[in-house]
Amino acid sequence: EADIYQTPRYLVIGTGKKITLECSQTMGHDKMYWYQQDPGMELHLIHYSYGVNSTEKGDLSSESTVSRIRTEHFPLTLESARPSHTSQYLCASSWGQGDTEAFFGQGTRLTVV
Amino acid sequence: GENVEQHPSTLSVQEGDSAVIKCTYSDSASNYFPWYKQELGKGPQLIIDIRSNVGEKKDQRIAVTLNKTAKHFSLHITETQPEDSAVYFCAALFKAAGNKLTFGGGTRVLVKP
Repeated sequence: EADIYQTPRYLVIGTGKKITLECSQTMGHDKMYWYQQDPGMELHLIHYSYGVNSTEKGDLSSESTVSRIRTEHFPLTLESARPSHTSQYLCASSWGQGDTEAFFGQGTRLTVV
Repeated sequence: GENVEQHPSTLSVQEGDSAVIKCTYSDSASNYFPWYKQELGKGPQLIIDIRSNVGEKKDQRIAVTLNKTAKHFSLHITETQPEDSAVYFCAALFKAAGNKLTFGGGTRVLVKP
């Protein structure tokens, strides 16, 4: 079982609220990722990190921001949530160069009303 | 840019039959091709991966084949069982894009008893 945890699992929040989705892993992985998953299944990379103090934007433009102050922690923040941010958010981590297994959390299903 | 095409998007098979999912990728320098299975309410989980130095890999009822010349790879599931019903994702590691793992659009597999 993967040691990567996301909280909360489900979140319903009003428009304009600031939210932070938490992601923690206890495997000491260097690389961490955030994916946004459509209802239609597709996984879109929105942020990734090579290690502490490293953050990069992914393929899909996102209004969210991330930070990597500690190896094990990679939170995602939305300063002002909108209904268009409603989606499933998946966090993942892996070793080194990315050519090894990526372990995924169970996801956070965010609904903005 | 980095692109992974996956077909079909849905696949319905009778229990005991085989299922085949195909993917093509755009970066000829890619050397790592994992397959993930996502069950309802869970994050994706690695089921098998293949590297560019081999053409085929098997693990019990699942196998993956890779054709580097044609830039395509396939997942084969034999003797399908109801528990194989899930969404399957192929992925390719794009070295030119900083070792980013890019996923295909997913295949929803339904195994009918």
